[in-house]
Amino acid sequence: DAKTTQPPSMDCAEGRAANLPCNHSTISGNEYVYWYRQIHSQGPQYIIHGLKNNETNEMASLIITEDRKSSTLILPHATLRDTAVYYCIVRVNSGGSNYKLTFGKGTLLTVNP
Amino acid sequence: DTEVTQTPKHLVMGMTNKKSLKCEQHMGHRAMYWYKQKAKKPPELMFVYSYEKLSINESVPSRFSPECPNSSLLNLHLHALQPEDSALYLCASSPIVPRFNEQFFGPGTRLTVL
Repeated sequence: DAKTTQPPSMDCAEGRAANLPCNHSTISGNEYVYWYRQIHSQGPQYIIHGLKNNETNEMASLIITEDRKSSTLILPHATLRDTAVYYCIVRVNSGGSNYKLTFGKGTLLTVNP
Repeated sequence: DTEVTQTPKHLVMGMTNKKSLKCEQHMGHRAMYWYKQKAKKPPELMFVYSYEKLSINESVPSRFSPECPNSSLLNLHLHALQPEDSALYLCASSPIVPRFNEQFFGPGTRLTVL
């Protein structure tokens, strides 16, 4: 699976959009970009994933650059409950050993009042 | 039911004890996982079960013994652990459907080995 690079920490004001970047310059054509987050002392939570088109769901939006070498997770109106470590993961999605998730160090997002 | 449950929430055991961690899901997922997470580190995969058969063992020591008795249950049997095995043990499950096999995690069992 391709390696990802994320900033170790970011701050965001409550109510503002949080934009979390991820670099994955070695991503291959069949690898998806996944985002998970882990609130303190809880299990990780799936947020969103995509291949090359931008994606949106009730939690967030995922913007993937045209060359697919980087992506941005957008939380449109951050709340204090969004304070968590956010993990960007790239992997193929066709079964077998590709069920494996390899977590990097992630970004600690702190939402401030 | 969209939950993965884990019991117990906390476990303290001695190095000579035998204990088991339990994980349950009723979402019909046929892939189940054990991860280990040390403090301030990301989760690390230990085992993957696919259709109740062990498909991935990430070179985990034999003092950890997984078991999948049916499609809803996953156990992790612990024996002769070391203090460095103290960690948060996370269970997850996912569908086995290409492109849609995102994993759902339980809250974890916090294990302390004395």
